[in-house]
Amino acid sequence: DAGVIQSPRHEVTEMGQEVTLRCKPISGHDYLFWYRQTMMRGLELLIYFNNNVPIDDSGMPEDRFSAKMPNASFSTLKIQPSEPRDSAVYFCASSPLNRAEKLFFGSGTQLSVL
Amino acid sequence: KNEVEQSPQNLTAQEGEFITINCSYSVGISALHWLQQHPGGGIVSLFMLSSGKKKHGRLIATINIQEKHSSLHITASHPRDSAVYICAVYGGSQGNLIFGKGTKLSVKP
Repeated sequence: DAGVIQSPRHEVTEMGQEVTLRCKPISGHDYLFWYRQTMMRGLELLIYFNNNVPIDDSGMPEDRFSAKMPNASFSTLKIQPSEPRDSAVYFCASSPLNRAEKLFFGSGTQLSVL
Repeated sequence: KNEVEQSPQNLTAQEGEFITINCSYSVGISALHWLQQHPGGGIVSLFMLSSGKKKHGRLIATINIQEKHSSLHITASHPRDSAVYICAVYGGSQGNLIFGKGTKLSVKP
C-alpha cells in the first residue's frame, strides 16, 4: 500500500482565496483524521471520520473550515476564505477499526496564506 | 497547565548515548502514542501502548498508568535518531488525541 496520500505538498495562496486540501487514506482503514500543526500550538485534531461519517469536529477553528468524506478513499479539508493565521502544516492520518493499531500519517500539506 | 507535558524540550546527545524522553499527562487515558517527526516533516507512529512496555529495535516505550507517566528510551543512539518525538494520549472521546509539544533530539556523531 502507498500509505496515506495527501495533496498538494505545498500550497501558497493569498488571503481570501479558497484552499482545498486532499487526502486518500489507506485502503481498509475506517478512521480518518485531520490535524493541524503550528509552532505555537503543536499538533491539534481538527476533525475525524468513522466510516465516512464525521464524528467529532470540535477542533475545527471556525465556519471557514469544512471537511468532507464522500467515500472511503477520499477526504477534503476546505478553507474559505483563507487567512494568514491559517498558515500551518495540515496532516491527514488513518487507522484501522481496531484502535490498538498504529496511526498512519500522510506527509502533510504546508499551507502559506499571504 | 498543558494536559500532556514532555521533558526535556530539547536534548543533545553524543552518538552511542542512552536517551530518555519523558511524558506526563493529567487526563484519564485509554492509550498513549509515541510519534517521531523527522526534519522533513513526516510523522511516524512508533508505539501505541496502554500498559507495560513495548520494544522495537533500539526503542523502548514504557507506561505507568497509576503514575500517569510514560518514557521513551533509545539505546545506542545514532545521528539518524535526530528528530522531534511527540507523546500523544487518547483522552475522553475515541478520536481525541491530545499531543505534547514534542522533544527535539539531536544526536551528534
